[in-house]
Amino acid sequence: ESVLTQSPATLSLSPGDRATLSCRANQSISAYLAWYQQKRGQAPRLLIYDTSNRAPGIPARFGGSGSATHFTLTISSLEPEDFAVYYCQQRSHWPPLTFGGGTKVELK
Amino acid sequence: QVQLQESGPGLVQPLQTLSVSCTVSGGSISTGGYYWSWIRQHPGKGLEWIGYIYYSESSYYNPSLKSRVTMSVDTSKNQFSLNLSSVTAADTAVYYCARVVIDYFYAMDVWGPGTTVTVSS
Repeated sequence: ESVLTQSPATLSLSPGDRATLSCRANQSISAYLAWYQQKRGQAPRLLIYDTSNRAPGIPARFGGSGSATHFTLTISSLEPEDFAVYYCQQRSHWPPLTFGGGTKVELK
Repeated sequence: QVQLQESGPGLVQPLQTLSVSCTVSGGSISTGGYYWSWIRQHPGKGLEWIGYIYYSESSYYNPSLKSRVTMSVDTSKNQFSLNLSSVTAADTAVYYCARVVIDYFYAMDVWGPGTTVTVSS
């Protein structure tokens, strides 16, 4: 099973700041890496698939990068609506398909 | 566009079978290129993948739940369903259905709003 470890657990930032979220895998997971945003009381929303491809309708301030065991989600300039929990997910080594534990981006 | 809506019992007795369904609207569940998935989220916790199913009914389950999970598709109703047997309090969670896009390297692009299931006597 591929274990995904996200860091930091919480990121305290202000609007306009740059956010850098990390997702590390315990084994190489090639390109099957996705990122989701979840706001309180809502379902997750797909942001990024295949490491770096933005899903339709996702603003350009969201970017994904990485390879092998280390992946990053970057939000170039935080908007008020970006404060949420972010999850990475892999399907390279499955079953099971697994999620990271999440990073909460909170208002500083 | 495609929308998903879960429906479930709300409350399930311990050791009984949890049954939830997901209705697909705005598109056909029989369209190739997609799997249909169940994911759950325990209160205040992260996401756990339960499994997914193709319209042809080939299915894949999380090994940790496999002995208790059955998924099915009803193409006439444009629905897919999850049965989880012998439930305990540890199965209390929000249950989401989602569409898995094969071309997106199996990312999930459409989600239902979720249905809360509580296991309690």
